Amino acid sequence: QQQVKQSPQSLIVQKGGISIINCAYENTAFDYFPWYQQFPGKGPALLIAIRPDVSEKKEGRFTISFNKSAKQFSLHIMDSQPGDSATYFCAASMLSGGYNKLIFGAGTRLAVHP
Amino acid sequence: SAVISQKPSRDICQRGTSLTIQCQVDSQVTMMFWYRQQPGQSLTLIATANQGSEATYESGFVIDKFPISRPNLTFSTLTVSNMSPEDSSIYLCSAGRGQLTDTQYFGPGTRLTVL
Repeated sequence: QQQVKQSPQSLIVQKGGISIINCAYENTAFDYFPWYQQFPGKGPALLIAIRPDVSEKKEGRFTISFNKSAKQFSLHIMDSQPGDSATYFCAASMLSGGYNKLIFGAGTRLAVHP
Repeated sequence: SAVISQKPSRDICQRGTSLTIQCQVDSQVTMMFWYRQQPGQSLTLIATANQGSEATYESGFVIDKFPISRPNLTFSTLTVSNMSPEDSSIYLCSAGRGQLTDTQYFGPGTRLTVL
């Protein structure tokens, strides 16, 4: 119930292409869905986030699409660049024990080839 | 946002010893969290550290193995006690400004290798 399922595990995209990473959840108590970007040897950095009252959020080349009825959300990276090569984690947040707890997906390793 | 630093950045330790990891935030935050990340894997929450109260541990993690301190609103420590090779991992701290805030900012992590 508290799992967040992420796919694909790895993704190879050509420069200029669109990268799409998908996540699904079961627990309807989740109310905040962030995406984190992690480069090797670094901590995860917040990329973009969405709440379930919105179906889409766009920040620059990054877009989250959210389907509340299907309990799915996805990250789209437009015009993918080699500098986007990193591991991407989706997450979901829910109130638990008086604070908001993040549950992370398994991660997607993205490689953008020039 | 919040800028978070961790010390040490990496360490190699002997089995049976303990290591204390420090986490410093550049501004006052309500919530601090400690995660474990196996190389190439996802993040698993170890515990939540609130200033002035006992840490709250997730299932599978116990205070005797991972004691946590939170002496003020900008600092926390995680100790990995009586280490075994299975404790080799990356340990990350994160911070959130309010108790009900969803956004967490992460430190760079501490890479621990236990021989």
